[in-house]
Order: sequence, then structure tokens, then C-alpha cells
Amino acid sequence: DIQMTQSPSSVSASVGDTVTITCRASQGVSNWLAWYQQKPGKAPNLLIYAASSLQSEVPSRFSGSGSGTDFTLTISSLQPEDFATYYCQQAYSFPYTFGQGTKLDIK
Amino acid sequence: QLQLQESGPGLVKPSETLSLTCTVSGASITSGTYYWGWIRQPPGKGLEWIGIIYDTGRTYDNPSLKSRFTMSLDTSKNQFFLRLNIVTAADTAIYYCARGGESGFGEFEFWGQGTLVSVSS
Repeated sequence: DIQMTQSPSSVSASVGDTVTITCRASQGVSNWLAWYQQKPGKAPNLLIYAASSLQSEVPSRFSGSGSGTDFTLTISSLQPEDFATYYCQQAYSFPYTFGQGTKLDIK
Repeated sequence: QLQLQESGPGLVKPSETLSLTCTVSGASITSGTYYWGWIRQPPGKGLEWIGIIYDTGRTYDNPSLKSRFTMSLDTSKNQFFLRLNIVTAADTAIYYCARGGESGFGEFEFWGQGTLVSVSS
């Protein structure tokens, strides 16, 4: 199985900051990577697919980049509603796998 | 608007079989070439990919779950299903059903709200 490792596991930031979350795959996944946001008690919400394509209706302050084994999710100008947990997911080979999550909270 | 809704027993005894249903509304599960999937999340932990099923019935599942899972669908009822045999406390989790995205890049675009399944005697 492809292992997905996110860093950091948690990060504190303030409204207006820019935050970058990293996801590393144990082997190359090309651009078969998605990012999700999950708030407490809610299902995950798709933010980015194909590593850098913004899902419809997701604010443009969210962006994704990377290919192969190293990927980043960047959130610019943090808003109060962005404080949540973020997950990456590879879809290059079965079984698809998720990263362990990165919790973003308010400083 | 596409909606998915999980339903299940809530509480299952160890060694028994868990059966979950995902009811899809707002679109037919046979429209398009989408995949339909199951993901679970133990309380306070991360997401685990269980598997996906196409409207043809073809499935891809997670071998680490030791073939205890079976996925199926009923196109006449617009539902798909998950069965888990010989449950243990480690299977306690929120179970989500979801649909693949338009891009077909393996992402899940639409999710149900999730249903909590507890395994306890």
C-alpha cells in the first residue's frame, strides 16, 4: 500500500495568515491526489483534486501543488471558517489511502 | 442536488455481521461512470478507505481489511450496500458512503453525513 504522510500533524495560525500543509507519498502517485477539509461532526469536503484542480465552489484562497511524491495545500488569508482538519488522499493505486490528517487551529 | 444517506443498526455485537445501506437521491446510481464508495473513521481518528463499487458491480476493496467486507448495489432501489463480517471493537467507527468526482481522479465529491457504528456486547 502507498503510505501518505502529512506534516505538520497540527498547526496554529491566525486569521489572515497563510498556511502550507505538506503530504508525502511513499512512492510516486503522479497527480492522483486529493485534499479534503473536515470540520467536527461533519463529513469531509473535497477541496482539490488531481493535485491542483480547485473543486467547484471552493474559495480561491485554497490551492494545491505538487506531483510524484511531494504535495502541498496552501491556504492564503485564513478565514475563521478554515480552522478544521485537512486530509490528503492518493488515488494512484488500490487501495487508495489517506494521510493521517493535519489539524489547523486558531493561535 | 445529489444526496447520500447511510443507514444501519448503530450497535452490533462482536463476531456478528454489520450491514449498511447507502440510499442515493437526486440522481440514478447508473447515470454516468461514477464509482460509489465507503470510508470509515474511528472516533477521534483519521479516515480509512474501505472500497468502491461501479454500477456494473465491479468492486475494488482494501486488502488490509482481510476480505471481511462485501460491497453490492441494487440499481432498482438506487442503493448500495456494505457488509462486514465478524466485527470486533476495532470496527467501531463512523461509516461514510460517497460518490466519485466528475474528474474520475479517485476523489470523493459527494458524501453522506455518516453513521456511527459501535461494536459492543
